[in-house]
Amino acid sequence: DTAVSQTPKYLVTQMGNDKSIKCEQNLGHDTMYWYKQDSKKFLKIMFSYNNKELIINETVPNRFSPKSPDKAHLNLHINSLELGDSAVYFCASSQGDLGPQHFGDGTRLSIL
Amino acid sequence: DAKTTQPPSMDCAEGRAANLPCNHSTISGNEYVYWYRQIHSQGPQYIIHGLKNNETNEMASLIITEDRKSSTLILPHATLRDTAVYYCIVGILTDSWGKFQFGAGTQVVVTP
Repeated sequence: DTAVSQTPKYLVTQMGNDKSIKCEQNLGHDTMYWYKQDSKKFLKIMFSYNNKELIINETVPNRFSPKSPDKAHLNLHINSLELGDSAVYFCASSQGDLGPQHFGDGTRLSIL
Repeated sequence: DAKTTQPPSMDCAEGRAANLPCNHSTISGNEYVYWYRQIHSQGPQYIIHGLKNNETNEMASLIITEDRKSSTLILPHATLRDTAVYYCIVGILTDSWGKFQFGAGTQVVVTP
């Protein structure tokens, strides 16, 4: 069974659209994250949730809104998509704040 | 925040040990050293972490110097599947919650 799963794997859409990426983990972890990896391959944390509560919110445009319906899910909704949003978005989970993080395989978002 | 410095790339012969260095000269006493790797088109994968003592698991060994200003990840018998970008990260505590800052990492290429 996949530990951290993201859907969709690929997302191609036009500028100005609204889209969501879903993430689920079956590891029983209490902390989940969203990362963005740009074309230069740098991984940057966007959000961190612990027990469904927002812990870390890096400098991310408010067009990005994470939602955690329960501890096993952390979804990412993006409004008014821009060309600069093109990247690979990774979801991850851990037990506690410094537990090893388990990553999903990423969602490749391309804005036309 | 402690930062890490890694060589941008290194080659390793299949079957030989790969020694990956990392400098973290500004690390503070309560910060852990973590190693992750990212194989092309996949999410980052946790390898190992440590605070002061050397650590070993089924994937690798982590050697941390006594002053904790540098560490070395050792892959004892490199295989072609170990070709990846390896990230050395220092666990940073912010408001009692950790977040990782991924740098550029070391691109390791294992050759036959």
